[in-house]
Amino acid sequence: AQKVTQAQTEISVVEKEDVTLDCVYETRDTTYYLFWYKQPPSGELVFLIRRNSFDEQNEISGRYSWNFQKSTSSFNFTITASQVVDSAVYFCALSGSMDSSYKLIFGSGTRLLVRP
Amino acid sequence: GAVVSQHPSRVICKSGTSVKIECRSLDFQATTMFWYRQFPKKSLMLMATSNEGSKATYEQGVEKDKFLINHASLTLSTLTVTSAHPEDSSFYICSARVGERAEAFFGQGTRLTVV
Repeated sequence: AQKVTQAQTEISVVEKEDVTLDCVYETRDTTYYLFWYKQPPSGELVFLIRRNSFDEQNEISGRYSWNFQKSTSSFNFTITASQVVDSAVYFCALSGSMDSSYKLIFGSGTRLLVRP
Repeated sequence: GAVVSQHPSRVICKSGTSVKIECRSLDFQATTMFWYRQFPKKSLMLMATSNEGSKATYEQGVEKDKFLINHASLTLSTLTVTSAHPEDSSFYICSARVGERAEAFFGQGTRLTVV
């Protein structure tokens, strides 16, 4: 079975603080993909990153960075110097290769509030 | 990135009527599309996987006769909520898989309100 756990329901920080959103996953697939999406109040899902299971290199994109650790089945997301515009719900998702459709299984989401 | 268009973005309908939601891949062919449902402040729950030219595969607990899915072309999938009731009010969002690649792009979502 595949499962994604985002234990943090809501996080509130003050602007310019760094914040890390946790994601822990479970899968029996040897090849799988991990994703992060941002959902602002308008509702659309904004793709942030995709990482395959064979690539454990950490990635940095501007103020965003991701830490993938297979040993702990975690794919955490850090926002550096947070801004009010970062306020949104963030979803971590998993897609496995055993299911050829590559459907996404989402975590429950973390609501981030960045206060000015 | 690939563009997926979902229409309408909002719809209000009377209880007992049916509502059709369209999901189009604008600049690529999507052999596989997915339909998700999201309750307020909740996660996205996969409802069904739609493959072009074949019957959709529904997730456990999703009523096939209630949520009719048609994927008649490589660029269009539709979700019809039949005989809608207030409990069907929700945010519905589709995604389209890009060919054989393990990534999918999402539509803008449809907020359905049944009164």
